[in-house]
Amino acid sequence: NAGVTQTPKFRVLKTGQSMTLLCAQDMNHEYMYWYRQDPGMGLRLIHYSVGEGTTAKGEVPDGYNVSRLKKQNFLLGLESAAPSQTSVYFCASSQGPGELFFGEGSRLTVL
Amino acid sequence: GENVEQHPSTLSVQEGDSAVIKCTYSDSASNYFPWYKQELGKRPQLIIDIRSNVGEKKDQRIAVTLNKTAKHFSLHITETQPEDSAVYFCAATVNDYKLSFGAGTTVTVRA
Repeated sequence: NAGVTQTPKFRVLKTGQSMTLLCAQDMNHEYMYWYRQDPGMGLRLIHYSVGEGTTAKGEVPDGYNVSRLKKQNFLLGLESAAPSQTSVYFCASSQGPGELFFGEGSRLTVL
Repeated sequence: GENVEQHPSTLSVQEGDSAVIKCTYSDSASNYFPWYKQELGKRPQLIIDIRSNVGEKKDQRIAVTLNKTAKHFSLHITETQPEDSAVYFCAATVNDYKLSFGAGTTVTVRA
């Protein structure tokens, strides 16, 4: 099993450009999450989903949108990238209570 | 929402000594407290967790203690080894799936 797979692994954008990060999980998990990791700030929840077709805001949702059209996929979109969105993005999934399974991370740089 | 504070931010220990990381949380309704380990360039992985109906949990060289009255919990690593060098994150949640993470502790084990 691949677990949680994120694409792309690295991306450089110019301010104002748009992009989508794709997260795919093959564990049939109901819950999926997008976190961003910045130095000294831990992991902050951007958006999450408790099932196919659902999405909800986390701690830092501004500037991001998400969609969960299929149970195994959770997409994170940046409509107009800003330098403040330079970060490492982690997708995770879980089957309700308990352990989060993280992807390998996607490093995004916005110039 | 839940607010988790983690101390210290960095910790350097001699190989074989013990390491202790402490976290405090704000929401007295929080009932699940996991700890994640992130090695350099890797994804976070769950190493141990505890629920609010338990005061202490051990797994080989690692243990977690919970004080609900004081709203704090701690990670204890005994007989530290070089492979324990990593960033450790504590987290807390009220509803089991929406975790709030601490800022992380970088642990360095000196040979």
